[in-house]
Amino acid sequence: DAGVTQSPTHLIKTRGQQVTLRCSPKSGHDTVSWYQQALGQGPQFIFQYYEEEERQRGNFPDRFSGHQFPNYSSELNVNALLLGDSALYLCASSYPHEGFEQYFGPGTRLTVT
Amino acid sequence: GESVGLHLPTLSVQEGDNSIINCAYSNSASDYFIWYKQESGKGPQFIIDIRSNMDKRQGQRVTVLLNKTVKHLSLQIAATQPGDSAVYFCAENNQGGKLIFGQGTELSVKP
Repeated sequence: DAGVTQSPTHLIKTRGQQVTLRCSPKSGHDTVSWYQQALGQGPQFIFQYYEEEERQRGNFPDRFSGHQFPNYSSELNVNALLLGDSALYLCASSYPHEGFEQYFGPGTRLTVT
Repeated sequence: GESVGLHLPTLSVQEGDNSIINCAYSNSASDYFIWYKQESGKGPQFIIDIRSNMDKRQGQRVTVLLNKTVKHLSLQIAATQPGDSAVYFCAENNQGGKLIFGQGTELSVKP
C-alpha cells in the first residue's frame, strides 16, 4: 500500500520564477492538504483540496494556488517566487469521513536563489 | 490568534528512561489533537491522536494526556530508544482538516 508520494524531492528556482509541486495521496484517501515548513519551524497550513475544490485556506497570498485532479492527486503552484518561499513543502492526505488523521509525504525541498 | 506551543525546545534523555514532551494550546474549541514525529529529511509521521472528549490514550510505548482545564497536552514515551530521537510536534485540529502545529521539541536519546 503506497503512502503519500511527492515530486520532485528537491528543486532550485530563481526569484521571480514559478514552480509546480506534485502529490499523490495515500491509497483510499480523497483529501489533500499542503503545508509549508520553514527550517526549524512547525508546518504551516496552506490549503486543503477535496472533490477538486479548495475547501480551506491558510494565511498565504494568492501567489500560492493549487489543483486537485479526479484521481485525487494534487499540485501546488507558487508564482513570482520570493527568497522567503524557500522551505520544505509537505503534502498530507486524509479520508475525513473516517477521521481527521493526516498522513504526510516526504516533502519537496524548494530553494529560491 | 490560535497557537499551539511547546514548553521545551530540546529534551535529552538516557536510553531506557521515560520521556515527557509537553505542549500548550490556546483554542479551547479545538476538539482533536495529534502528535507527530519528524526525523531529519522526512515528513512528519503520525504517532498518536486524542479527541477532546478523552483525557488519556495509550499506544505502543506512547501515551497522550489531555488536560482541557489548563489547555495542556503531553506525550509520554516509555523506555526511550535511540530510534526515538527526532523532533516531536503537537498539532491541533478544530476546523475539520486545518492542522495548527507548534514549533517542535527535539528529543535526543543518549546511549
